[in-house]
Amino acid sequence: AQKITQTQPGMFVQEKEAVTLDCTYDTSDPSYGLFWYKQPSSGEMIFLIYQGSYDQQNATEGRYSLNFQKARKSANLVISASQLGDSAMYFCAMRLSGGGADGLTFGKGTHLIIQP
Amino acid sequence: DAGITQSPRYKITETGRQVTLMCHQTWSHSYMFWYRQDLGHGLRLIYYSAAADITDKGEVPDGYVVSRSKTENFPLTLESATRSQTSVYFCASSDGLGNTEAFFGQGTRLTVV
Repeated sequence: AQKITQTQPGMFVQEKEAVTLDCTYDTSDPSYGLFWYKQPSSGEMIFLIYQGSYDQQNATEGRYSLNFQKARKSANLVISASQLGDSAMYFCAMRLSGGGADGLTFGKGTHLIIQP
Repeated sequence: DAGITQSPRYKITETGRQVTLMCHQTWSHSYMFWYRQDLGHGLRLIYYSAAADITDKGEVPDGYVVSRSKTENFPLTLESATRSQTSVYFCASSDGLGNTEAFFGQGTRLTVV
């Protein structure tokens, strides 16, 4: 079974600083996808970024990048130049690529607070 | 409107009652999922469906029933609600395995008293 570990329950960061949110994962399957979602206080789940296990380059989406270190089984989210609107819960998740539609496995999340 | 919608958004029910949470998506996605979100646990998968008439259990299926007679609908039923089922419930859909993100509904906040 897959497992996602987010070791930072909460983080306080100054506005405009870069932020790294940690995520480690565990699976014996060689083919999988890693995802990050943002959940603001309004409650909706917003997809941020995706990384495939066979992707050679780290994924980037605007201010978001994913620092993928396959050997260490880590998939940290980096937010550059943080903004007040980045304050939210952030969830790392994983999904196997084949052999069943068993959904995303989520970590417990990191509560990020951006301070002015 | 295109997307994935859940109803109701908020529900209060009594212990022992049957409750059905609705989920409707307009993308014709094959895969649909139900999650519950609780403090300290993140999101946990209750049930999922790969296509109409195909459903399977996730991590925490006890006390829940699902059906999928049509591709676009995936209702979740609590047969006899318990206080431990007080939670925020999210429905999600995706069009493939692994490399496609899941799109989430707005969530249903269920309180069992």
